Amino acid sequence: QVQLVQSGGGVVQPGRSLRLTCAASGFTFNEYGMHWVRQAPGKGLEWVATIWFDGSKKYYADSVRGRFIVSRDDSQASLYLQMNSLRAEDTAVYYCARITTNWFDPWGQGALVTVSS
Amino acid sequence: DIVMTQSPLSLPVTPGEPASISCRSSQTLLHRNGYHYLDWYLQKPGQTPQLLIYLASNRASGVPDRFSGSGSGTDFTLKISRVETEDVGVYYCMQTLQTPPYTFGQGTKLEIK
Repeated sequence: QVQLVQSGGGVVQPGRSLRLTCAASGFTFNEYGMHWVRQAPGKGLEWVATIWFDGSKKYYADSVRGRFIVSRDDSQASLYLQMNSLRAEDTAVYYCARITTNWFDPWGQGALVTVSS
Repeated sequence: DIVMTQSPLSLPVTPGEPASISCRSSQTLLHRNGYHYLDWYLQKPGQTPQLLIYLASNRASGVPDRFSGSGSGTDFTLKISRVETEDVGVYYCMQTLQTPPYTFGQGTKLEIK
């Protein structure tokens, strides 16, 4: 079945970096764009970044542009989010999600990122 | 950016009773192809968000028919004909017409009375 399995979350100090991974299975990964969405503790959903199916276009929320980089490796069927210069306000559960036509389906299980000294 | 506004933010419901959630966008979500680019998601407690409704009124695969979406322009509604205990969670609307950014509503927390 279609599945997105995430890894890479953890506790990191402010200013440091962390990379999240989203491993896809059950579908032809290189035919789909992908998103990253985050949810701060007790808060709602916030779109973070998008990468097109062929990697030709990438989009970022204003809050992360210049610090986060979305990428993909189709040979590994994997999506990545490189998070640099992390701030306390980046603390959140990060979800990957597939672009299915135009909506987000399915979603990964989430990875908790805590930025704290 | 398109701003999405949901109401109510909290919705206590008795099992078996209907429920309705409103979502308003700051701009029309009507695409030139005739579809409204508005989706609904449910995040059950401790779980990942799941797609309920896409393009304003289409139920996603496996979604019970007690869920329905409607609306046009800037006003949309998610209805549950008879709430069940498994429906508790936070419901989000999201627009995908003018992107980036993709924007979500604040979320509506449905709880059982």
